[in-house]
Amino acid sequence: NAGVTQTPKFRVLKTGQSMTLLCAQDMNHEYMYWYRQDPGMGLRLIHYSVGEGTTAKGEVPDGYNVSRLKKQNFLLGLESAAPSQTSVYFCATTNGLGGYNTGELFFGEGSRLTVL
Amino acid sequence: DAKTTQPNSMESNEEEPVHLPCNHSTISGTDYIHWYRQLPSQGPEYVIHGLTSNVNNRMASLAIAEDRKSSTLILHRATLRDAAVYYCILRALNDYKLSFGAGTTVTVRA
Repeated sequence: NAGVTQTPKFRVLKTGQSMTLLCAQDMNHEYMYWYRQDPGMGLRLIHYSVGEGTTAKGEVPDGYNVSRLKKQNFLLGLESAAPSQTSVYFCATTNGLGGYNTGELFFGEGSRLTVL
Repeated sequence: DAKTTQPNSMESNEEEPVHLPCNHSTISGTDYIHWYRQLPSQGPEYVIHGLTSNVNNRMASLAIAEDRKSSTLILHRATLRDAAVYYCILRALNDYKLSFGAGTTVTVRA
């Protein structure tokens, strides 16, 4: 099992360009998340999804859009990249809290984005 | 949202125990206490979680104060591989979001 896979792992963009980060999971988890992590800081939640076809805003949603058309995929889009969006982006999944679920988040390896 | 307070950094010697404190004085009765760690250049990984009772697993132990306003993550014998940022997080029962603060950077000396 691959777990949580993020593509691409590295990308350099010019200001104003657009791009999409893909998060794919093979664990059949309901919940998926996109975080960003700036140097020396903790993770901040951008958007999340509680199931196929749903999305919701996190702490820092401005400048990003997301889609969850298929249960296994969660896409993060930047329509017009800005230098302030230079960061490492992490995708995470969980199957929820309750019953036999521990609420454990499984993270991808991260995608490093640089906007010039 | 209930907040947590952790020291910025801690140092330990290899093969000695590490006690990582976390204060969460505004915790509510249904908040779970979760711990994650992030090794250099990797995504965070789950360590342990608990509600009221102390918990043990293969990675660590979690000691929760009786009033639940604080908790301590215990690494019984630190190894160089335990050098990481450790995050203490509160998660409400019906809240599907986890917010990560700055965490505690643990350095392990050989």
